Amino acid sequence: SQQGEEDPQALSIQEGENATMNCSYKTSINNLQWYRQNSGRGLVHLILIRSNEREKHSGRLRVTLDTSKKSSSLLITASRAADTASYFCATDEGSYIPTFGRGTSLIVHP
Amino acid sequence: NAGVTQTPKFQVLKTGQSMTLQCAQDMNHNSMYWYRQDPGMGLRLIYYSASEGTTDKGEVPNGYNVSRLNKREFSLRLESAAPSQTSVYFCASSPGAQAIAKNIQYFGAGTRLSVL
Repeated sequence: SQQGEEDPQALSIQEGENATMNCSYKTSINNLQWYRQNSGRGLVHLILIRSNEREKHSGRLRVTLDTSKKSSSLLITASRAADTASYFCATDEGSYIPTFGRGTSLIVHP
Repeated sequence: NAGVTQTPKFQVLKTGQSMTLQCAQDMNHNSMYWYRQDPGMGLRLIYYSASEGTTDKGEVPNGYNVSRLNKREFSLRLESAAPSQTSVYFCASSPGAQAIAKNIQYFGAGTRLSVL
């Protein structure tokens, strides 16, 4: 069963705009990850944030984690058409096996 | 460096036929996984292998069997395929429970399976 749930399910923006997607989860976690999946491909790991971290950056990606609200957000700044993909959050509940949400489908129009 | 390699990429089966999906990784990872991905359902774990010689059921194991042939290879077998098993199957690997980056998973490109 899904632990994390992404919101929105779908997001459509213009190139150059920022894209924000959220993940909410139910139980305490050790860490939270974000993955990207391009159409017809496997998932690719983007970033991992630990439960004792509040914010993490990687290039144009910014991830925040609020453990009191059991939520995380992924911000992609200055989106490009190549960012078009589905984005998944994955949480663990103590084991090393992450549980994936259903994903947010992002379309960036050139 | 190939990462995680899955074969075949596409397969069409008739109900009742059997087949084995192959997966191999070249990253010396301890743990390997099989997922299925269906529209609107996200990824669901079928089976996993924490280390060579061990396998465990995931969320949706019914109708499947697995074999961890060695540290590199983890296969998924459908003994008697059913239309409900039409899906995209992903194999993944991770360093494993004792590693620093234990949770990060590396995925293959997927096998698209249709059962008629």
